[in-house]
Amino acid sequence: QQQVKQSPQSLIVQKGGISIINCAYENTAFDYFPWYQQFPGKGPALLIAIRPDVSEKKEGRFTISFNKSAKQFSLHIMDSQPGDSATYFCAALSGGYQKVTFGTGTKLQVIP
Amino acid sequence: GAVVSQHPSWVICKSGTSVKIECRSLDFQATTMFWYRQFPKQSLMLMATSNEGSKATYEQGVEKDKFLINHASLTLSTLTVTSAHPEDSSFYICSALLSSGDGAFFGQGTRLTVV
Repeated sequence: QQQVKQSPQSLIVQKGGISIINCAYENTAFDYFPWYQQFPGKGPALLIAIRPDVSEKKEGRFTISFNKSAKQFSLHIMDSQPGDSATYFCAALSGGYQKVTFGTGTKLQVIP
Repeated sequence: GAVVSQHPSWVICKSGTSVKIECRSLDFQATTMFWYRQFPKQSLMLMATSNEGSKATYEQGVEKDKFLINHASLTLSTLTVTSAHPEDSSFYICSALLSSGDGAFFGQGTRLTVV
């Protein structure tokens, strides 16, 4: 059972544009939602995370928007750069944080 | 953020041999570590949860006798792929959980190739 659905599967954005990746979850017990960035041949790196008590969190060019009632959250990358080209995974953790449930990943390509 | 070091980053071994992969939390203690397997262009698949001082919990379909996990200290977990076969070739990634609950941090991954 896919508990965290992620879309799109792939995304091409021009340099300077906004990249938007969406995720939806089913389990209302999830209470911590991180985004990871993964470059080929490397492990995922924590990018930004949010808890459901806030609707938005911004760190530099990266923003998470969170809609608790819709059980959806999204990553926005402003002023996208070629160096942002990577695979992005949303994830969710529940109380006790015993497991990380990952989305299926989005391969982002930022073209000059 | 917290640092998780995984070693080796890549390894090539002969079919039938065993390979050990180490995962260390460098600047924090991790009572819980996770081992994942990732196939090309796919998401991470959880193999097992490693708890310090106790037996690992394996996900359904993962052979515990083939993928031996040891979590002997609060900063080290190891995954041993026993009697490796070419189908075990994959990218293996560990992660460690902060006790505060503020996320999981990942190692650099290990590319295993069995020939």
